[in-house]
Amino acid sequence: EDKVVQSPLSLVVHEGDTVTLNCSYEVTNFRSLLWYKQEKKAPTFLFMLTSSGIEKKSGRLSSILDKKELFSILNITATQTGDSAIYLCAVESTQGAQKLVFGQGTRLTINP
Amino acid sequence: DAGITQSPRHKVTETGTPVTLRCHQTENHRYMYWYRQDPGHGLRLIHYSYGVKDTDKGEVSDGYSVSRSKTEDFLLTLESATSSQTSVYFCAISVDTFANTGELFFGEGSRLTVL
Repeated sequence: EDKVVQSPLSLVVHEGDTVTLNCSYEVTNFRSLLWYKQEKKAPTFLFMLTSSGIEKKSGRLSSILDKKELFSILNITATQTGDSAIYLCAVESTQGAQKLVFGQGTRLTINP
Repeated sequence: DAGITQSPRHKVTETGTPVTLRCHQTENHRYMYWYRQDPGHGLRLIHYSYGVKDTDKGEVSDGYSVSRSKTEDFLLTLESATSSQTSVYFCAISVDTFANTGELFFGEGSRLTVL
């Protein structure tokens, strides 16, 4: 059975800190790993990773995938209060998005 | 940009009553999904559709049915609501118009409370 585990489940830091969120997975026939950010309402797409060792970057956020060790990390540098959200990790198999499996999410709180 | 409208956004109902949630998209995307989100479980797929009248079950489909009579509308029905179906329901579409990639665009969610 495909599985995604995120850690920590909850994290509280001060503005300006750097955080690392973790996602480990088990999936049959891996296609991609995705990160989403969920503030008050709908999750919004951040990154899709398909190849090991290639960093995806968007502003202060970056993510990398290790397909040998079956995990990914999401880094946020110089955190701001607007980064407070639930961060969701999901894995997709070659069967397609109908088999997308989400982790429980990491709730990140940035205090001013 | 794709637009998704979910209705109703909030609903309180009683055990045993039928409930229908509607998802409307504006961009003719082929793949549509219904998820539920509960504390400790992340997002779990209920049903999905890959075209008009083409639907299939997801991970947690028991107690739910769906219909897609038009490309733009995907309905989720709880025939007889139970308290375990209290949840936030999200509709999503694959961002790629025709393929079912994992990059999804989500609606704003429908919060359902079953008393």
